[in-house]
Amino acid sequence: GAVVSQHPSWVICKSGTSVKIECRSLDFQATTMFWYRQFPKQSLMLMATSNEGSKATYEQGVEKDKFLINHASLTLSTLTVTSAHPEDSSFYICSATTGELDSYEQYFGPGTRLTVT
Amino acid sequence: GDSVTQMEGPVTLSEEAFLTINCTYTATGYPSLFWYVQYPGEGLQLLLKATKADDKGSNKGFEATYRKETTSFHLEKGSVQVSDSAVYFCALSDQGSGYSTLTFGKGTMLLVSP
Repeated sequence: GAVVSQHPSWVICKSGTSVKIECRSLDFQATTMFWYRQFPKQSLMLMATSNEGSKATYEQGVEKDKFLINHASLTLSTLTVTSAHPEDSSFYICSATTGELDSYEQYFGPGTRLTVT
Repeated sequence: GDSVTQMEGPVTLSEEAFLTINCTYTATGYPSLFWYVQYPGEGLQLLLKATKADDKGSNKGFEATYRKETTSFHLEKGSVQVSDSAVYFCALSDQGSGYSTLTFGKGTMLLVSP
């Protein structure tokens, strides 16, 4: 149980275009979803936290107009990278929590590799 | 702010060798501590956790003890297998607002050869 999927697993886009990444909780309802970014040989950096039906909370230094997050339902959150540039190339990982007693546990998706050319 | 420091890899071991991956943390409060594992091509999976000082987390032969006096949470396994090859992340949580944010270390790659 507690499976999280991401789509696509990898994407290549041209500079200036936008790309959407989906994060789905397959067998549970996710009250909270998190988006992370991971650079090679670096740790996961939290970008934003989203709760279903409300605006995402962005971490300091993350441009909210560039990284649009929509948590439209209890099983789906999307991250849209707008006007992508090569420096946005990275590995994006989402996670989700059930909001139950063990709310500290996050279930992670497999990640999406974004390459901007 | 909170931070996690873990040893750099890769750690290369032969099958059945003893494993230690060091992890130390800095936190203002009393965090919960975690080890996550990421197998090739897969998402992060929770390996074990400890929520208070002196707690020992264990799973699949791996152990880690929450040491408040040394602010450490070292991961150990007595006899590694080739299937343990993966990247291991130490993390801490900062509880609040009904959910926890996680602060991760950089990850340590473990390579186990037959």
